[in-house]
Amino acid sequence: DSGVTQTPKHLITATGQRVTLRCSPRSGDLSVYWYQQSLDQGLQFLIQYYNGEERAKGNILERFSAQQFPDLHSELNLSSLELGDSALYFCASSVSQGGNTIYFGEGSWLTVV
Amino acid sequence: DQQVKQNSPSLSVQEGRISILNCDYTNSMFDYFLWYKKYPAEGPTFLISISSIKDKNEDGRFTVFLNKSAKHLSLHIVPSQPGDSAVYFCAASEGSSASKIIFGSGTRLSIRP
Repeated sequence: DSGVTQTPKHLITATGQRVTLRCSPRSGDLSVYWYQQSLDQGLQFLIQYYNGEERAKGNILERFSAQQFPDLHSELNLSSLELGDSALYFCASSVSQGGNTIYFGEGSWLTVV
Repeated sequence: DQQVKQNSPSLSVQEGRISILNCDYTNSMFDYFLWYKKYPAEGPTFLISISSIKDKNEDGRFTVFLNKSAKHLSLHIVPSQPGDSAVYFCAASEGSSASKIIFGSGTRLSIRP
């Protein structure tokens, strides 16, 4: 158990819909990262937040957005969903905004039908 | 364009033998390399890393080798054990920030009795 909690674990939704994925980082971790893993693809970095502020942006679509709340939990919002958005979405956390040691949650499986 | 490539999607090794997982990268600016291990229904967990100033790093049964001239790294597991059956992700970064980590697509290692 990494200490990073993600909900929901599985989600099936229709194209055009909007979903929200939630992440609670490890206790004491200020940085939250979101990754997408599509079939046969590596982990693609989407976005990082540190203590409520956006710190880095990766290959995140404009239809996707995220935020980190004062209690440090984070949400990833995916809208106007397409079939290609079906993937495993991981949240990870770390103590600082730098450093390579990050701890991953179990992921949220999103299936768009 | 994949900057970190794991060309073998799967590998089967007999228990007790050596497992060698390979990874190639294209960006010569990468200076930190990591291996993550992922079991089904779990998030990736950090396994071992190496800085570009070294060519070898060992941690118990796990050794990572870095060949900068060939832009190649490998993970050796010896002896291989059943619990090593998992997906292994190679990753590389330029600098120390986790947001700059680029992951490969993973190699599924199966240890057979």
